[in-house]
Amino acid sequence: AQKITQTQPGMFVQEKEAVTLDCTYDTSDPSYGLFWYKQPSSGEMIFLIYQGSYDQQNATEGRYSLNFQKARKSANLVISASQLGDSAMYFCAMRGGGSQGNLIFGKGTKLSVKP
Amino acid sequence: KAGVTQTPRYLIKTRGQQVTLSCSPISGHRSVSWYQQTPGQGLQFLFEYFSETQRNKGNFPGRFSGRQFSNSRSEMNVSTLELGDSALYLCASSLSQPSDTQYFGPGTRLTVL
Repeated sequence: AQKITQTQPGMFVQEKEAVTLDCTYDTSDPSYGLFWYKQPSSGEMIFLIYQGSYDQQNATEGRYSLNFQKARKSANLVISASQLGDSAMYFCAMRGGGSQGNLIFGKGTKLSVKP
Repeated sequence: KAGVTQTPRYLIKTRGQQVTLSCSPISGHRSVSWYQQTPGQGLQFLFEYFSETQRNKGNFPGRFSGRQFSNSRSEMNVSTLELGDSALYLCASSLSQPSDTQYFGPGTRLTVL
C-alpha cells in the first residue's frame, strides 16, 4: 500500500531564513508523482510543486524546491527566504498507483514563521 | 483564469438530513475529484469524475455519492448525515489524465449537529 509520512507536526522558522519540511513515501509502483500543497487557515489547498519519479532534476518553483532522493524515498520541501505569509499547513502527497490519479496525503506539517 | 469554485462555503445540517455540495472546475478541466478532510482522519479521497463517469472511488459508504454534468461541474451528495460527516469537503479539478496536477477549491465546511 502507498503511504506518505510527515514526521514534523509543527515547525518554527525565523523570517528570511530557509526551512526544510520532511516527507518520506512508500510505494511499489515504478511510476509515481509527488506533490506539495499549502493550506492556509482559510482552508484552500494551494499547489506548490510537483516531482515525477522519472524526473532527473529536482523540481524548483520560485522560492520552493523539492529535494528528491529516490533511493531514500524522500521528497523534502525547501522554502528559501521564509515570509510571514508562509505560515500555514503543508501537505506532501503522492499520486495513486497505476491509472488512478487520486492523491494520498500525509498528515501535514504546521509551519509558523516568526518576525 | 478563474479557479475552482465551491458552493456553499459553509453548511449546518442535523443528523439524518441530506446535503448536496457543488463544485465548478477550472475552465477546460474535465476531471473533478472530491476529498474529505477531518482532524482525525486527515485528507481522504472520496471519488473522481471524468466525462460524466465515475473514474475512481475511495473507501466511503454508499451514503456518499456524486455526479458530473456535461459542463464538467460536479455535485456530491451525502444522505442520512451522521455527526462524523462533519468535515471540510474539498473539490479538485485537473485537465483530464490521472497524472495531471489537481487544483483545489476553497472547500465547503459542513457541520452536522
